[in-house]
Parts: sequence; C-alpha cells; structure tokens
Amino acid sequence: RKEVEQDPGPFNVPEGATVAFNCTYSNSASQSFFWYRQDCRKEPKLLMSVYSSGNEDGRFTAQLNRASQYISLLIRDSKLSDSATYLCVVKGFNKFYFGSGTKLNVKP
Amino acid sequence: DTEVTQTPKHLVMGMTNKKSLKCEQHMGHRAMYWYKQKAKKPPELMFVYSYEKLSINESVPSRFSPECPNSSLLNLHLHALQPEDSALYLCASSQVFADSRGQPQHFGDGTRLSIL
Repeated sequence: RKEVEQDPGPFNVPEGATVAFNCTYSNSASQSFFWYRQDCRKEPKLLMSVYSSGNEDGRFTAQLNRASQYISLLIRDSKLSDSATYLCVVKGFNKFYFGSGTKLNVKP
Repeated sequence: DTEVTQTPKHLVMGMTNKKSLKCEQHMGHRAMYWYKQKAKKPPELMFVYSYEKLSINESVPSRFSPECPNSSLLNLHLHALQPEDSALYLCASSQVFADSRGQPQHFGDGTRLSIL
C-alpha cells in the first residue's frame, strides 16, 4: 500500500468553478502535511501547510482529518493560472512522502 | 524566485562523462535532499544530508555520488550514467531533518539531465 494516495485526475473545470482534491495517508503517526503545486517541467512549490484546525489562504482552503487520515484542498473561483499538478506531501518523523499528484486543467 | 539555487539548469552528457550538479541555499537550513523526478511521476528521494552528514541513501546506484562540503552546499557527482538516468534532478532543503515541528521542504528549480 502506498504511503500517500491521490486521485491522478485530470480534473477539467471551467474558470470560476470550485474544485476539491483529496489525499489519504496510511501512517497514523504522520506529523505534518502540505500541498505543493507543480507546473509542467518546473519544481514543486509550497502552496500551503495543512493544520489540524484547517487553514485558508485566499481562494485556497486546506483541511486535515486525522481520524480518517485524509487531507483536502479546496480551490474556489478557479483561474486559468491554477492549472497545474497538485502534490499532497506527508511528513513522518524523518521523511517526506509524496502522492502521485492530481492534475488540474482550468478551461476558459 | 527560489531560495534554493541549482546549477546547471540543463545538462547533456555522454555515458562516459563525469559531471557534477550543484545546489546552494542560504536559509540556514540543516537538512538537504536530492530527488530524481521522471515525467508525470512524483519526486523520488535519493539522498538526505543532515548537519552535513549523509543520513539516508535510498539504495541509489554508485554512479551517483553525493557530497555536502558545508551547510549551504550540496553536490551530486555523476559518472557513467545510463540513458534511464535522464530526468529532472531536484535539490531541496528544510530547517532540520528529523523533527516534529512541521517545517516544509523548499525546492530548487532543478537540473534537467539528458544522457546520450
């Protein structure tokens, strides 16, 4: 079983739509959680950390459910520039585990 | 702008060449990482340095040789690579390696390596 699992997509949505991604992790002792965004042929860039209480940054909201071992990312009012692959990353004590990424295509 | 800088951005080399990839960060981070990423796949961990000592080697072939000369620099020496080693090589850093404080990794923009 993979440490971190994501739906690979692609999610094809129109501009202005709301879209949500989920990610599940297998190790209940996991300590930290992140969403990264990766554009084609570029490096992953930190989008946001995910906290137990949930957190929001502009149009982006991240939530963590420790009991069910999943994290989510909600994007409101999608922009063309949001098109990218979104990587869920889970940190154990000494290692970062990556999901396979979810591809988002925002269409005009 | 990335706070982790990698050079070169692109590298084409033959299977008999020796070359090095370089990574530098000035954020005071004490953990540095090398990842390999193939197209449409997530980054795959190769090596971790913590306080300039090698902490993790994910069974990487010896044709890849990492080096951490000081807390800001990380090198990856390449020798006798194979065509399947062509990939994006990413360097990353984080404040510390084994910790529970939830600090993320920051990535450099990578070296795109092609082996002829």
